[in-house]
Amino acid sequence: EAQVTQNPRYLITVTGKKLTVTCSQNMNHEYMSWYRQDPGLGLRQIYYSMNVEVTDKGDVPEGYKVSRKEKRNFPLILESPSPNQTSLYFCASSLWARETQYFGPGTRLLVL
Amino acid sequence: GIQVEQSPPDLILQEGANSTLRCNFSDSVNNLQWFHQNPWGQLINLFYIPSGTKQNGRLSATTVATERYSLLYISSSQTTDSGVYFCAVEPRKTSYDKVIFGPGTSLSVIP
Repeated sequence: EAQVTQNPRYLITVTGKKLTVTCSQNMNHEYMSWYRQDPGLGLRQIYYSMNVEVTDKGDVPEGYKVSRKEKRNFPLILESPSPNQTSLYFCASSLWARETQYFGPGTRLLVL
Repeated sequence: GIQVEQSPPDLILQEGANSTLRCNFSDSVNNLQWFHQNPWGQLINLFYIPSGTKQNGRLSATTVATERYSLLYISSSQTTDSGVYFCAVEPRKTSYDKVIFGPGTSLSVIP
């Protein structure tokens, strides 16, 4: 089944403890992206990747890192999480940029 | 940067009714997509529609790029249509493929 998977789905952590949220797609898509969704602020793009080894900042990249070492995986790294990074995170992929995006199920993160 | 507005912000419909959701954007775009976020939080793409009209069952969408708006039509609404509908655009005047989401229209379909 064609899909985008994220892990973990739910995570509670404490300020400053490094964490990684994984994202994987099995559709051989070139373009992958991370979003966060917050009440009243909607969905905002954090980082995106046009293809392997190519990443770029979205609207809200501060406090996040990404890497794209292989086509199928695009992990989101929070080196030193803070409470303002408490949010619902979505990973998405598309065949190319400017194509239909397919979203993962979301990761709900709480930073205490 | 580009502004994306959606209207109405909230909508309550009786099952079986029709509705039109609107997305306005303030500048030229390379593409436009419509998504549905169901009550469980899952985001599903509905249409990739940079211009023209597309139909998929009870849903259809029209984008008039020259006038900077897109419409999503829902006919014979069902309770499963409830959720939030987002439009998302890729601004043309950027050198990279960034995506900007509108604030969404929250739809409740009641039996």
